[in-house]
Amino acid sequence: GAGVSQSPSNKVTEKGKDVELRCDPISGHTALYWYRQSLGQGLEFLIYFQGNSAPDKSGLPSDRFSAERTGGSVSTLTIQRTQQEDSAVYLCASRRTGGPSYNEQFFGPGTRLTVL
Amino acid sequence: AQSVTQLDSQVPVFEEAPVELRCNYSSSVSVYLFWYVQYPNQGLQLLLKYLSGSTLVESINGFEAEFNKSQTSFHLRKPSVHISDTAEYFCAVKIYGGSQGNLIFGKGTKLSVKP
Repeated sequence: GAGVSQSPSNKVTEKGKDVELRCDPISGHTALYWYRQSLGQGLEFLIYFQGNSAPDKSGLPSDRFSAERTGGSVSTLTIQRTQQEDSAVYLCASRRTGGPSYNEQFFGPGTRLTVL
Repeated sequence: AQSVTQLDSQVPVFEEAPVELRCNYSSSVSVYLFWYVQYPNQGLQLLLKYLSGSTLVESINGFEAEFNKSQTSFHLRKPSVHISDTAEYFCAVKIYGGSQGNLIFGKGTKLSVKP
């Protein structure tokens, strides 16, 4: 079956603009995560969605970052008033919540964001 | 709080040589342990994981890792590497029984295999 997909694969924007990054998780996976991969910082957790529960936003670096998940499937990460330090690869992962591989997160290819 | 340390940011080795990528973690609670691999221009893929049971876990492509609770380590080893093993390797932990389940990653080790 299809894996986790993300779009766009690359995004170049100007400082101060808003951007939206999209994640399509694996069908049937109820858990969805956003991570950020940047030079010198490694992979950082941003936000976690589980079914219809309130998301865990504890990893979001500032209030310019927000995310939503519609219908328990597709998720959008929004960064408002982008700054150069937001430049990174944004990774999405999904996970099933039952079955033998429920601990495994499946990652998408990422969106490379460059803020000029 | 949990943390993961990968001491080596880069490891260059020659083809067919053995390699060990080190991973140490810090946690006051039990954790699950993972190694992910990221090939050039690709996403993260799970390489192997320790959840419970035997402390030695193996992947299908010859890598193995051993969970050492007393040393809080989960080093990744391969007795003979190939050019195709060139990639970045990430060690990660997840809190056992944690409701969120987010992974806490090390900063990665770039393995470069030379002919």
